[in-house]
Formats: sequence, C-alpha cells, structure tokens
Amino acid sequence: AQSVTQLGSHVSVSEGALVLLRCNYSSSVPPYLFWYVQYPNQGLQLLLKYTSAATLVKGINGFEAEFKKSETSFHLTKPSAHMSDAAEYFCAVSLSGAGSYQLTFGKGTKLSVIP
Amino acid sequence: NAGVTQTPKFQVLKTGQSMTLQCAQDMNHNSMYWYRQDPGMGLRLIYYSASEGTTDKGEVPNGYNVSRLNKREFSLRLESAAPSQTSVYFCASRALSGAMGTGELFFGEGSRLTVL
Repeated sequence: AQSVTQLGSHVSVSEGALVLLRCNYSSSVPPYLFWYVQYPNQGLQLLLKYTSAATLVKGINGFEAEFKKSETSFHLTKPSAHMSDAAEYFCAVSLSGAGSYQLTFGKGTKLSVIP
Repeated sequence: NAGVTQTPKFQVLKTGQSMTLQCAQDMNHNSMYWYRQDPGMGLRLIYYSASEGTTDKGEVPNGYNVSRLNKREFSLRLESAAPSQTSVYFCASRALSGAMGTGELFFGEGSRLTVL
C-alpha cells in the first residue's frame, strides 16, 4: 500500500522568503505524486503533479516540486512567499495499475506567511 | 462550468438521525470519491466508485453507505449518525485513462456536518 508523510503540520515563513514544504512517500511501485492547496472554507485545488515525464514539475502560482526517487521525496518549493500563499497544503500519492483508483493524502501542512 | 457540486453545504443532525449527502459532476468523469477531513488527519477515503455500477470501500467506510446513481451522481448516506461522524465531507471526481493513476481529483466545496 502507498502512503505519504508530510513533515511539519505548521510552517511559518516571512513574506518574500523561500517556501519549503516536505513530502516523503512510500510505495512498492513507481508512484504518481500530487500537491494540492486548500484555502479556508474551500475544496482542494491541484497545484502540480508528477507523472514520470520530468522530475522537476512546475505548477501554478510559482510553485514547483522535484521528484527524487533515491530520497523518496517530492518537496514543494516557492522562491518567494506571498501573503496569498497562506493556506493548507496536501501531498498525495497514486499508483499505476491495480492501485490506480485510490489517491492517498498526507495529513497536511498549514503555511502561515508573516508580513 | 460547475465542476463538482455538493449539497447540502451545512447540516446539523442529532445522534441516530439519518441523512444523505448528494454529489454531482459535469465533467464526464468515470471515477467518483467521498473523503472526510478532520483536523490533523488530512483527507481519508470513505468510499469510491471506479466507474458507474461499482463501489468500493476506502480507509474509513464504517457507518456509511454509498450509491452511484448514474455516471454524474454519487451519494453518501449516514444511516444512524454518531458524534464521531462530525466532519467536513468532500466529494471528488477523476478522469482515469485505463488503469493509469495520473488523473487528478477535482473537488467540491465540501459539506460541513455536525452530529450532536
């Protein structure tokens, strides 16, 4: 079975500082990986996804993530935080083949941006 | 384009009451899902429907039933609500190409359920 671990339930950064949100996965087969963002009282929106085409994936709002198989990681970064980035972020994993119907989520990281 | 629509958005129930959460998608997706979100727990899969006519249990199915009414609609029923079912419920849909898991989920705005 696949699983995802997000390190840090809360992360605070200053406006303009680097954003780094950590995600490690566990999977017995090559995974597909996703980052979602959730703004208060809203549903989840896709930021970006890794589907084996390229290890560095660029998403919306200036976010990107790099798939590192050797580290089983898919960390989310943004060079310069903006106040509008304050939200909760979820990493998720899906498998190919028989396990492909289920998407398993991490517990989330709440990002605060300090002016 | 509405995407995924859930009703109701808010509901308060008493212990033992029943209710059904409705979900409809207009993106012609084959797969539909119900998740619950609780603080510090992330999203946990309750049930999913890989295609019309099929449903399968997820991680936390106890106390829930589902119906895939047609390709567009997927409902979640609580037969006898318990305080432990107080949560935010999200419906989602997904396009899958064969057995590939590359398609992303599209979420509704959520339904906040409180069981007293």
